[in-house]
Amino acid sequence: NAGVTQTPKFRVLKTGQSMTLLCAQDMNHEYMYWYRQDPGMGLRLIHYSVGEGTTAKGEVPDGYNVSRLKKQNFLLGLESAAPSQTSVYFCASSSAGLYGYTFGSGTRLTVV
Amino acid sequence: GNSVTQMEGPVTLSEEAFLTINCTYTATGYPSLFWYVQYPGEGLQLLLKATKADDKGSNKGFEATYRKETTSFHLEKGSVQVSDSAVYFCALSDHAGGTSYGKLTFGQGTILTVHP
Repeated sequence: NAGVTQTPKFRVLKTGQSMTLLCAQDMNHEYMYWYRQDPGMGLRLIHYSVGEGTTAKGEVPDGYNVSRLKKQNFLLGLESAAPSQTSVYFCASSSAGLYGYTFGSGTRLTVV
Repeated sequence: GNSVTQMEGPVTLSEEAFLTINCTYTATGYPSLFWYVQYPGEGLQLLLKATKADDKGSNKGFEATYRKETTSFHLEKGSVQVSDSAVYFCALSDHAGGTSYGKLTFGQGTILTVHP
């Protein structure tokens, strides 16, 4: 099925470890986004990309890095995980932003 | 900056009851407005949208009207079902051009539970 695929779905990290979350879309969308979801806070934008080779900071970028080497993939990296990064991470893509996003099913990350 | 405020939950209703979830927004431009739904363990799905003032979005019995004069986009359904139990998010997006790039600003979400 066409859509947005996130891997992994679950992960437990120790403080200080690093990891990369992968987001892949097969809809030829230009825009891609990474959000984190925390209870009572809705979704907050971490980073986004408006095309291959471009990235930009969102609302809460500290502690994260991203890369968009290929149009269909958007990677989110945590270089040194902290307990405050325990969250559910969602990737989304959009063809023009105006008409809404297609979301992935999320990655639940726990940092202990 | 942009912001979205939703009514606080959780909301608990009996099947066939009328649903309203309030949403108001603050935006610097002329935003598009959205309602997303998240079922347990899943990602968000677009429920409905409206792209200009007085537009009405509708889907699966849900409706919301873009009211520019009151900066509101309240979600309504005339008769809820148990299967409507989910978290509902109101969101806005400034126009995709310029420097906004379609970024969505979300409300905090409203948990809806419908009992038989």
